[in-house]
Amino acid sequence: EDKVVQSPLSLVVHEGDTVTLNCSYEVTNFRSLLWYKQEKKAPTFLFMLTSSGIEKKSGRLSSILDKKELFSILNITATQTGDSAVYLCAFSSGSARQLTFGSGTQLTVLP
Amino acid sequence: DGGITQSPKYLFRKEGQNVTLSCEQNLNHDAMYWYRQDPGQGLRLIYYSQIVNDFQKGDIAEGYSVSREKKESFPLTVTSAQKNPTAFYLCASSNRDGYNEQFFGPGTRLTVL
Repeated sequence: EDKVVQSPLSLVVHEGDTVTLNCSYEVTNFRSLLWYKQEKKAPTFLFMLTSSGIEKKSGRLSSILDKKELFSILNITATQTGDSAVYLCAFSSGSARQLTFGSGTQLTVLP
Repeated sequence: DGGITQSPKYLFRKEGQNVTLSCEQNLNHDAMYWYRQDPGQGLRLIYYSQIVNDFQKGDIAEGYSVSREKKESFPLTVTSAQKNPTAFYLCASSNRDGYNEQFFGPGTRLTVL
């Protein structure tokens, strides 16, 4: 059965800290891995990763995929209180387009 | 502005009643999805549709029904057969081709009294 596990479940840091969120997966016929940020309401898209070893970067956020070891990490540098959210990892597999989500990491950034 | 709209934002219903959640998109996306989110958990797929007049069950379809009569619309009905319907419901859409991400609507919070 395909599955995705995120760790840690929750994380509390202070502004300026750097955090690393983890996502490991077991899936047949892997297509892509996606990261979303959810602040109370709808998840907003951050990154899509399809190739191993290629870092994607957007401002203070970056992510990389390791298809051999079956995991991805999301890094946030110089955290701000606005980074407080649930970060969701998801993968797509096979010919269908549905996503399978992890349970998320709750990040709290204190001033 | 292009996007996905869901209505209502909050919905209350009594046990034994069916209720329909609306989802509309003007992104010209072929595929649409319904997810359920419970507190402290990720999203679980209820139903999805890759094309008009066609849809498939997701992981937790029991007690739910959908229709896809128009490309723009994918309503979800929560029936009385759903044993624990109180949850946050999210609708999403994506292009059918390629490795495109899903875009989410603002969600409907359903509470069964």
